[in-house]
Amino acid sequence: DTEVTQTPKHLVMGMTNKKSLKCEQHMGHRAMYWYKQKAKKPPELMFVYSYEKLSINESVPSRFSPECPNSSLLNLHLHALQPEDSALYLCASSQEARSYNSPLHFGNGTRLTVT
Amino acid sequence: AQSVTQLGSHVSVSEGALVLLRCNYSSSVPPYLFWYVQYPNQGLQLLLKYTSAATLVKGINGFEAEFKKSETSFHLTKPSAHMSDAAEYFCAVSRRGGSQGNLIFGKGTKLSVKP
Repeated sequence: DTEVTQTPKHLVMGMTNKKSLKCEQHMGHRAMYWYKQKAKKPPELMFVYSYEKLSINESVPSRFSPECPNSSLLNLHLHALQPEDSALYLCASSQEARSYNSPLHFGNGTRLTVT
Repeated sequence: AQSVTQLGSHVSVSEGALVLLRCNYSSSVPPYLFWYVQYPNQGLQLLLKYTSAATLVKGINGFEAEFKKSETSFHLTKPSAHMSDAAEYFCAVSRRGGSQGNLIFGKGTKLSVKP
C-alpha cells in the first residue's frame, strides 16, 4: 500500500472540461511534487511545493494550475487541456525539498486521457 | 549540466541469473545518483542512492550498485533474479544540491525475468 494517495485513478476529459487531480499524504512531509510521465518515458518534474509554497515551476503551461491547500494536500487543476497532455500524473512527497537524504514517496498516479 | 544514460531499454534474464542494469552519468560536480523501480500501474520506489559516503551501495530487495568515478558509471546489480523483479528501472541524478525532488531520470530499462 502506498502512503501517498492519488484520486482519481483514471480520468477521461474533453478539451473544454475543467477537472482536478488530488493527492494526499499523512507522513508529515513538507515537500510535495507533481510529475508527468508519458508512456515508455521517464517522469518529468512539473511543480515542487516546499512548506506549502510553490518553489519550482518547470515552465509548465498555464492550463495546469497547482494548489497546495495545506501540508497534506496537493491539487492539480486542469483546464483546456490538449490530447498530448494525456499521461500518467504522479504525485510525490518528501520530508524536505532540499535534502538528498529525503527520499521521494510516490503515489500510484492518475492516468489521464484527453479526448 | 547533469545527465544519465541507461544502456539498453530492455534487459531479459532467466530466474536465478545475474541482473546487470547499466547507467552512466555526466556531471560537472560530484553527483548524487539514485536508482528507482516502477512496477506496472504504480509509482516509483527508491531502490538505493549514492551520496559519496561509500562507493558500493546496498539497497532494498537484494539490489546494489557501485559508483565508479573513473568509468562515470553507477550500474545496478542483483546476484539472482526473481520473477518479482520484473519492472521498469530508472537511474537518476540530482539536478542541484542533492535534492531528490529535482531529479533528472534516464530513459529507463525494462527488466523481464523468464521462468
